[in-house]
Amino acid sequence: EAQVTQNPRYLITVTGKKLTVTCSQNMNHEYMSWYRQDPGLGLRQIYYSMNVEVTDKGDVPEGYKVSRKEKRNFPLILESPSPNQTSLYFCASSETWGAKNIQYFGAGTRLSVL
Amino acid sequence: DAKTTQPNSMESNEEEPVHLPCNHSTISGTDYIHWYRQLPSQGPEYVIHGLTSNVNNRMASLAIAEDRKSSTLILHRATLRDAAVYYCILRDDYLISSGSARQLTFGSGTQLTVLP
Repeated sequence: EAQVTQNPRYLITVTGKKLTVTCSQNMNHEYMSWYRQDPGLGLRQIYYSMNVEVTDKGDVPEGYKVSRKEKRNFPLILESPSPNQTSLYFCASSETWGAKNIQYFGAGTRLSVL
Repeated sequence: DAKTTQPNSMESNEEEPVHLPCNHSTISGTDYIHWYRQLPSQGPEYVIHGLTSNVNNRMASLAIAEDRKSSTLILHRATLRDAAVYYCILRDDYLISSGSARQLTFGSGTQLTVLP
């Protein structure tokens, strides 16, 4: 089954404790991205990757890092989480970044930073 | 990407058709019209997309106005499981190839409530 898998689904952590949210897709997609969703602000892109070793900033990249060492994985790293990073995070992938392409989303990771 | 306008909310009765409108008066000739939906506590899910002609798939139909300044997502028989926020999004290959807009720009969408 084609899917985008995020882990963990829920995470509570404390300020400053480094964490990684993993994202994996099994569709051999070139394009992957991370979004955060906050009430009243909608979905905003954090980072995206057009292929292995190619990443770029989205609209809200501050406080986040990503890497794309393999095609299937695109982890989101919070080196020093802060309470304003409490949010619902979604990973997405698509075959390429073309306008016709369908994006597939993970089920989400709900992060609370205390 | 060009802007879209959708009603904040709509209601429908179960097993009746639902027509979700989207206005995109500044659409360009190369903009694709995409619809996604987000069910409660889930990630966004692709529904349908089109360029100029009406489109049908197993989930829904997309009716595109002749001048392309508006479109309508049609759910033929709404079920309780169709209660979600529906997003109408425009995507342009030109902008994407020029380095901008390499993302889906989600607006506020339409909250669809399905009444039993």
